[in-house]
Amino acid sequence: AQKVTQAQTEISVVEKEDVTLDCVYETRDTTYYLFWYKQPPSGELVFLIRRNSFDEQNEISGRYSWNFQKSTSSFNFTITASQVVDSAVYFCALNAGNNRKLIWGLGTSLAVNP
Amino acid sequence: DAGITQSPRYKITETGRQVTLMCHQTWSHSYMFWYRQDLGHGLRLIYYSAAADITDKGEVPDGYVVSRSKTENFPLTLESATRSQTSVYFCASSVGTPSDLFFGPGTRLTVL
Repeated sequence: AQKVTQAQTEISVVEKEDVTLDCVYETRDTTYYLFWYKQPPSGELVFLIRRNSFDEQNEISGRYSWNFQKSTSSFNFTITASQVVDSAVYFCALNAGNNRKLIWGLGTSLAVNP
Repeated sequence: DAGITQSPRYKITETGRQVTLMCHQTWSHSYMFWYRQDLGHGLRLIYYSAAADITDKGEVPDGYVVSRSKTENFPLTLESATRSQTSVYFCASSVGTPSDLFFGPGTRLTVL
């Protein structure tokens, strides 16, 4: 079975703190893709990153970084020096095997307070 | 404007009525998707389409009908709306799968 677990339902931090959002996935396929999406309070869903199972290199984009570890089946997302604009719900998703569908986690709601 | 648009953005209807939600994309993406988002359930796939005239069921297709006569349009019809279909509906498109999804702004549907 394929599954994505985002164990943190809600996180609240103070601006400038670093915060890590956890994502644990399950799949038996050797080829798969992992995604992160952001949903700010305005409601739209925005693609952040896609990573395939053959590329375990960590990714950094500005204040955002992603840590992909196959050994622990995790694809965690870290925001460094968080800002109020980072307040959003963040979703992790999995596409595995020949499945054309994404398996979504339930999301982590991040509140960054001034 | 380029991108993916949904209409209407807000809709209130009554139980039993037929409702059609429109989705239009200007990228000529092959794949299009309809999701519903509900508290506690996250995003659930209703239907998707790999190309014009090719559609397939997702996780929660019951009560919904889709069509795709043109690549750029992917309307979702609720044949006889029920209160349980009150939700936020998102249309999305992608070049292929697996690929990055580009989402429309969503339609908030309330069924009374």
